[in-house]
Amino acid sequence: QKEVEQDPGPLSVPEGAIVSLNCTYSNSAFQYFMWYRQYSRKGPELLMYTYSSGNKEDGRFTAQVDKSSKYISLFIRDSQPSDSATYLCATGGYSTLTFGKGTMLLVSP
Amino acid sequence: EAGVVQSPRYKIIEKKQPVAFWCNPISGHNTLYWYLQNLGQGPELLIRYENEEAVDDSQLPKDRFSAERLKGVDSTLKIQPAELGDSAVYLCASSPGAGVETQYFGPGTRLLVL
Repeated sequence: QKEVEQDPGPLSVPEGAIVSLNCTYSNSAFQYFMWYRQYSRKGPELLMYTYSSGNKEDGRFTAQVDKSSKYISLFIRDSQPSDSATYLCATGGYSTLTFGKGTMLLVSP
Repeated sequence: EAGVVQSPRYKIIEKKQPVAFWCNPISGHNTLYWYLQNLGQGPELLIRYENEEAVDDSQLPKDRFSAERLKGVDSTLKIQPAELGDSAVYLCASSPGAGVETQYFGPGTRLLVL
């Protein structure tokens, strides 16, 4: 079993939809939970991170961590065509991260 | 503030040739990472530096890969000799401290080995 599992998609939604992106992880010692966005031919950029458990909201984005089920989620409200990208989840300890494969999101106008 | 700079952006070489990638981190960032990203996969850590010291190189294939970070600023990653399976994107990232929550990535170097 890989340490971080993520459905590669693609996930296609119409503009304005609520998007739910998810990952599972296996190492219960992980404390940092990150979401990165990666546009084609660009490096990943950090969207949000959560330490330990709980929810975090930033504008249209909400990150959730459920440590009991080792499940992390990213919700995007009012999705826009500019949100079309690959979303990578990552988890780990203080100094190292393990990334999922990424989920490709396509938001159509 | 300038981001992480990498060069070249693209490189095409024939197998068995050497290749080198260069990274200039964000000014003041002490920690530097090199990642490998295969098509359809997430980044995988190759090596992590804190200042000029390689503190985690456990995933670096040392038979053909080498890296250095002289003076604790710029870094180079070298492959010699390159193999077909090395075709991938090589990402450099930096952070001000050792924590992962402030990691900033560069645009990457896309390598194609023929």
